[in-house]
Amino acid sequence: GENVEQHPSTLSVQEGDSAVIKCTYSDSASNYFPWYKQELGKGPQLIIDIRSNVGEKKDQRIAVTLNKTAKHFSLHITETQPEDSAVYFCAAGTYKYIFGTGTRLKVLA
Amino acid sequence: DAGVIQSPRHEVTEMGQEVTLRCKPISGHNSLFWYRQTMMRGLELLIYFNNNVPIDDSGMPEDRFSAKMPNASFSTLKIQPSEPRDSAVYFCASSGSGGELEQYFGPGTRLTVT
Repeated sequence: GENVEQHPSTLSVQEGDSAVIKCTYSDSASNYFPWYKQELGKGPQLIIDIRSNVGEKKDQRIAVTLNKTAKHFSLHITETQPEDSAVYFCAAGTYKYIFGTGTRLKVLA
Repeated sequence: DAGVIQSPRHEVTEMGQEVTLRCKPISGHNSLFWYRQTMMRGLELLIYFNNNVPIDDSGMPEDRFSAKMPNASFSTLKIQPSEPRDSAVYFCASSGSGGELEQYFGPGTRLTVT
């Protein structure tokens, strides 16, 4: 079946450094790629998304890149802060998504 | 807007009991999704409604699970009878009309079946 692979599963960075999370997807029909941040005890929160007609999108310290040919997309967080610590999920799909398995990001002060 | 509202936030029940989870989507949104999150299986889509009609229920695990959306502002997910393996966090999400694909999640219901 269709799936989304996400790496790494855990990531520790020093405050101020950058963090990169990578995902690959299998369904060629996917045209929408959101990223969610989930804090403990809360629901996933949409932080940024990208559509298949765009290769890159940036919002302050967060950026996403998409390579449709290779079926890869990535989340980049620059100047990380302790409050960025959370679990991050990628997803791929159209009106419905398949989620990746999540990356636990820990930003060390 | 208040966001997606789910109730209860926590539910503890005994095996064999009926469980009903409730969701109020964001006002004006016409799509609603029920997800289940576990450590083993991650975030799984159970069922998707559009304009109150179930469109895709291929993720519903078995006949013990059922979902309804009687109107645009309310949906329920029912498990009858419940089993310990149903223990998970259940999320409801909604998205708008007009081709909007962004889904907004509620805070979830943590279900424990003993």
